[in-house]
Amino acid sequence: GENVEQHPSTLSVQEGDSAVIKCTYSDSASNYFPWYKQELGKRPQLIIDIRSNVGEKKDQRIAVTLNKTAKHFSLHITETQPEDSAVYFCAASKGSYIPTFGRGTSLIVHP
Amino acid sequence: NAGVTQTPKFQVLKTGQSMTLQCAQDMNHEYMSWYRQDPGMGLRLIHYSVGAGITDQGEVPNGYNVSRSTTEDFPLRLLSAAPSQTSVYFCASSYSPFQETQYFGPGTRLLVL
Repeated sequence: GENVEQHPSTLSVQEGDSAVIKCTYSDSASNYFPWYKQELGKRPQLIIDIRSNVGEKKDQRIAVTLNKTAKHFSLHITETQPEDSAVYFCAASKGSYIPTFGRGTSLIVHP
Repeated sequence: NAGVTQTPKFQVLKTGQSMTLQCAQDMNHEYMSWYRQDPGMGLRLIHYSVGAGITDQGEVPNGYNVSRSTTEDFPLRLLSAAPSQTSVYFCASSYSPFQETQYFGPGTRLLVL
């Protein structure tokens, strides 16, 4: 089955800095890569996703890049704010298969 | 729409007890799943369903049962609770399994003593 590795497990940045979270996947057939944000005590919520026919996608301060050859994808957050502090999960899926999640990255943004 | 709802929010069980975690959605989603979340382990799939009457196992199914008699409801049953089942449980749903956004419920925090 699919295996998704996510790094780092914890990321601490100063407000205004950029943050990058990286994920690798094992199944070359995977073609859908969502990112979820989970605030403390809350449910995970989708923040951005990318499909394998696209190399990059942006939504305001958030961007995701995909390198199919290397089988890795990354989440980029620019101009971080304290409200960006949360746990971020990457995931990968193909066809009708359930997404496989990474273990999560705890992002801490210091004011 | 209430979206995905879960009950109870918090539960304490003794080892060996059984219980059912409830999950319901009002979005007419065909696809529902159960995850458990443990520190440093991410979201691990327990069971999932692609429609009423159809269920299948995920990554960590042992000790859990599910059924899907209606589109709306997808209960998770713990047969004989063990301390290793102490976790936060999330139910999720999506319109289809085909690369769609998953909508998560608020979670149930379970403590097994």
